[in-house]
Amino acid sequence: DGGITQSPKYLFRKEGQNVTLSCEQNLNHDAMYWYRQDPGQGLRLIYYSQIVNDFQKGDIAEGYSVSREKKESFPLTVTSAQKNPTAFYLCASNEGHTGNTIYFGEGSWLTVV
Amino acid sequence: QKEVEQNSGPLSVPEGAIASLNCTYSDRGSQSFFWYRQYSGKSPELIMFIYSNGDKEDGRFTAQLNKASQYVSLLIRDSQPSDSATYLCAVGNAGNNRKLIWGLGTSLAVNP
Repeated sequence: DGGITQSPKYLFRKEGQNVTLSCEQNLNHDAMYWYRQDPGQGLRLIYYSQIVNDFQKGDIAEGYSVSREKKESFPLTVTSAQKNPTAFYLCASNEGHTGNTIYFGEGSWLTVV
Repeated sequence: QKEVEQNSGPLSVPEGAIASLNCTYSDRGSQSFFWYRQYSGKSPELIMFIYSNGDKEDGRFTAQLNKASQYVSLLIRDSQPSDSATYLCAVGNAGNNRKLIWGLGTSLAVNP
């Protein structure tokens, strides 16, 4: 089945550690996104990529990093510089230039302990 | 600052009634409009999109767009308890289709 796979679904991180969230899609979509969702704050865009080997900062990129070495993959690293990383992280994708309907993965819950 | 506004709710309706969810947006250049449903603890799932003024129907759902008044609404007919969720409105424009502007969502409770 076509879709977006995020892993892990639940992750616990100690303060000062970097963690990487995986996102893989087999929809042949050009564009991929990372959002963060906190209670009462809606979806906030962290990074997005419209094409392989290119990505742009979203509204809250500080403390995060990404790479886009393959069309199918867009991993997100939450670094120790992110002061409040506990949140629900959502990866999404769309066709890019031909349409902007966004489809989401199941999400990853990150908790700092 | 481009904004999308939704009433946070909760909107409570009895089972079988029509639920009406509203969304207003500030950018007159907006051209694409989306409604997503999000169950608690889950990721958003697309319900409908609409690009042209007027109504668009899909099963029990109808999206209504009025660009002159800058609002888009979602009607849910014959509401079911399984429709209880948060409904997110998202808006895109021709200038930057790849970045949608999201509302905070409206919480809907359908009471049996």
